[in-house]
This record gives sequence, structure tokens and C-alpha cells, in this order.
Amino acid sequence: NAGVTQTPKFQVLKTGQSMTLQCAQDMNHEYMSWYRQDPGMGLRLIHYSVGAGITDQGEVPNGYNVSRSTTEDFPLRLLSAAPSQTSVYFCASTKVTGGYEQYFGPGTRLTVT
Amino acid sequence: AQSVTQLDSHVSVSEGTPVLLRCNYSSSYSPSLFWYVQHPNKGLQLLLKYTSAATLVKGINGFEAEFKKSETSFHLTKPSAHMSDAAEYFCVVSDRPSGGSYIPTFGRGTSLIVHP
Repeated sequence: NAGVTQTPKFQVLKTGQSMTLQCAQDMNHEYMSWYRQDPGMGLRLIHYSVGAGITDQGEVPNGYNVSRSTTEDFPLRLLSAAPSQTSVYFCASTKVTGGYEQYFGPGTRLTVT
Repeated sequence: AQSVTQLDSHVSVSEGTPVLLRCNYSSSYSPSLFWYVQHPNKGLQLLLKYTSAATLVKGINGFEAEFKKSETSFHLTKPSAHMSDAAEYFCVVSDRPSGGSYIPTFGRGTSLIVHP
């Protein structure tokens, strides 16, 4: 199993550009989430999904869109990048049975200039 | 509502000495509690979890944590630090899911520094 994969690993955008961060998991988990990690802030939830076709907002959703057409994939779209979106982004899938353990991808480091 | 507070942003220890990383939580229900570790430039990995079974939970790499409901604490300990333990540690709390949603809350992290 590859677990949770994310692409790209690094990205530099100019203000106003758009892009999609890819996330895929091969563990057949229904729950998937996107977080951003900023120094001293821990991880903050952007969007999450409880299954294909179902998404909802987390703590910091503004400026981001998600969709979930399959169980495996959960892309995150930045609509018009801003310097405040410079961060490290983590995708996670959650194993519901046995206590909601989360499995994280390796992260995408995004810089917006 | 749920919240979590990691009481130290940095903890510095010498190799071979005990480690204590402190975490207090607030929860409206009987929570699930987790500790995750993040090594530099890596994703997060589960160390251990508490889900209403035994209050003393053993995890990977010799770490353990004790759930103390009366103190609303879930401190992480290890008897003897190793250089490879140097990393960022996150305490996470989650109330039981409501309406099918699972939304955990992360602490701000504790950076563990291990000196030779």
C-alpha cells in the first residue's frame, strides 16, 4: 500500500494564480481531510469529506475548494492564490474502525509571492 | 466543544533522560485522544491513541501516555530519550463524531530537542 500520496511536494505561485493540490489514498477510507500547517499554529482543518460526493468546511475554508468524486481522490483547489496561503498542506485519511486514526501524506510546501 | 492545550512549546532533554510532554484537553463527551509525531519535513505519524479502553496507553518507540479524566490531561512520557526522538509532537482531541462528521482538534505542538 502506498498509503496517502500528495503531489506536488513543492510549488511556487504568483498572487492570483490558481492550482490544484492532489491527494490520493489506497486504504479505502471514507473520511479524508485537508489541513494547513503554519509555524506555532498546529494543524488547522480546511475542508473534509465523509465520503464520495460529500464535503464540508473546516476551520479555515476561505480561498479553497474541494470535491470528492471517488473514495480514493480528494483534490484541493486554490482559486486565486494569496501570500496568506503560503503554508505546508497535509492531506489525511481516517480509519474509522478502531478509533479514528489518521494517516497523513508527506505534505506540499506552497509559497505564494 | 473541544479544545487542547500543549503546555510547552519546546522541551529540551539530554539523551538517556526521561521525556515528559504535557497536554490538557477539554471535551463535552468522552473524548478520543491521540499523540502524533512529525519529524522534520515529514508528515505526521501516530504514536498512540486513547479510545476509552485502558487509561495507560503504550505506543511506538517506547512512548506511553496516561489518560487522567479528573485532571483532563493526557501527558506523553518516555523513560529514556534517544537522539532520534527529536521532533515535533502534537496532542489531538476528538469528541465522538456528530452527524457522521469527525473533526479533531490539534494542539499547537511541542518541539522536543534532545542533546547528546
